[in-house]
Amino acid sequence: GAGVSQTPSNKVTEKGKYVELRCDPISGHTALYWYRQSLGQGPEFLIYFQGTGAADDSGLPNDRFFAVRPEGSVSTLKIQRTERGDSAVYLCASSPGRGETQYFGPGTRLLVL
Amino acid sequence: AQTVTQSQPEMSVQEAETVTLSCTYDTSESDYYLFWYKQPPSRQMILVIRQEAYKQQNATENRFSVNFQKAAKSFSLKISDSQLGDAAMYFCALTSGTYKYIFGTGTRLKVLA
Repeated sequence: GAGVSQTPSNKVTEKGKYVELRCDPISGHTALYWYRQSLGQGPEFLIYFQGTGAADDSGLPNDRFFAVRPEGSVSTLKIQRTERGDSAVYLCASSPGRGETQYFGPGTRLLVL
Repeated sequence: AQTVTQSQPEMSVQEAETVTLSCTYDTSESDYYLFWYKQPPSRQMILVIRQEAYKQQNATENRFSVNFQKAAKSFSLKISDSQLGDAAMYFCALTSGTYKYIFGTGTRLKVLA
């Protein structure tokens, strides 16, 4: 079956603009995660959804970051008033449940000029 | 707090030889899971191997095996008969009751022909 997909694969924006990053998880996976990965670093947890609700959003760096998963499937990560420091690869992963393997998407590379 | 430490930023191995990547972790949970993920230059994270903490037996997947030392909180990855396609970043990850996955900073593996 299809894996996790993310769109766009690359996004270039200007400082202060608003961006949306989309994640389509594997069908049937109830858990969905967003990570941010800076160059030479491991993935940094942002937010975790179980179904439609954000079960843990403790990794969101500030209130410019927000994520939704309204129907328990597709998720959108929203970044307002982007800053140059937001430039990174944003990874999405889904899993069938707790402790299970996470399946990652290819990521969205965000560049804020 | 949970932590994952990978103390080897880079490792090299000759093709067909064996290499071991180190990972230490810390958690106060008794029920947790450990993972090794591979991230090639294409940046898609791929699961290499998974270990449940309650299992004494070390996980193996073909040429990949782990040395899980629960008391020492150590989880090293051994790659046997290294191949050129094994060249990638390798990340150690931990998840427990919080559902959050914590990743190490990674080890870059180079395979020399």
